[in-house]
Amino acid sequence: GAVVSQHPSWVICKSGTSVKIECRSLDFQATTMFWYRQFPKQSLMLMATSNEGSKATYEQGVEKDKFLINHASLTLSTLTVTSAHPEDSSFYICSAAGKFNTEAFFGQGTRLTVV
Amino acid sequence: GQNIDQPTEMTATEGAIVQINCTYQTSGFNGLFWYQQHAGEAPTFLSYNVLDGLEEKGRFSSFLSRSKGYSYLLLKELQMKDSASYLCAVMNSGGYQKVTFGTGTKLQVIP
Repeated sequence: GAVVSQHPSWVICKSGTSVKIECRSLDFQATTMFWYRQFPKQSLMLMATSNEGSKATYEQGVEKDKFLINHASLTLSTLTVTSAHPEDSSFYICSAAGKFNTEAFFGQGTRLTVV
Repeated sequence: GQNIDQPTEMTATEGAIVQINCTYQTSGFNGLFWYQQHAGEAPTFLSYNVLDGLEEKGRFSSFLSRSKGYSYLLLKELQMKDSASYLCAVMNSGGYQKVTFGTGTKLQVIP
């Protein structure tokens, strides 16, 4: 299958700082990227959907000013957690889909710990 | 909106067969996925069904009935490495290939 690279794999940051997570499609053009959050022992919850060159569509209850999503090119999307707090500690996963893909391919995930 | 239900946990014996059920209610349907997820890792794709019937892929098979809003994942010849969470996910038909995940079924394979 296609390769999606997510970076970093894990990050520890201080409360109040911002963290940027990158999601890259390495061998295909990702017209759509999805950002998910997964708390321990829970399933993936979709945070937002982004299409290249347009604003992200956020799910209900997700603060767009706190979770900034940029999808500037067909191979890169970024999620920035601004002013992170301990309750933002979670596993963040991106997935990417090409124009003709039925399946979305997942990145490796980023474990964020805010201390 | 969408509602996806699957059992929280299941236990099965190595070498046996296990069936994980998933029921869904959705305002638009464009296919159903099954993913496997080991603890601390990203999900990996297992199957995709968009038409009714059974899709077989090695030890794994997936079934879909759109009229009943029902799917199952069948795992044969269970191995210890099959211990993982299995996520049922539905793609809606509203464009942008949006996928909503169920809460997952944690499968424990015992000797």
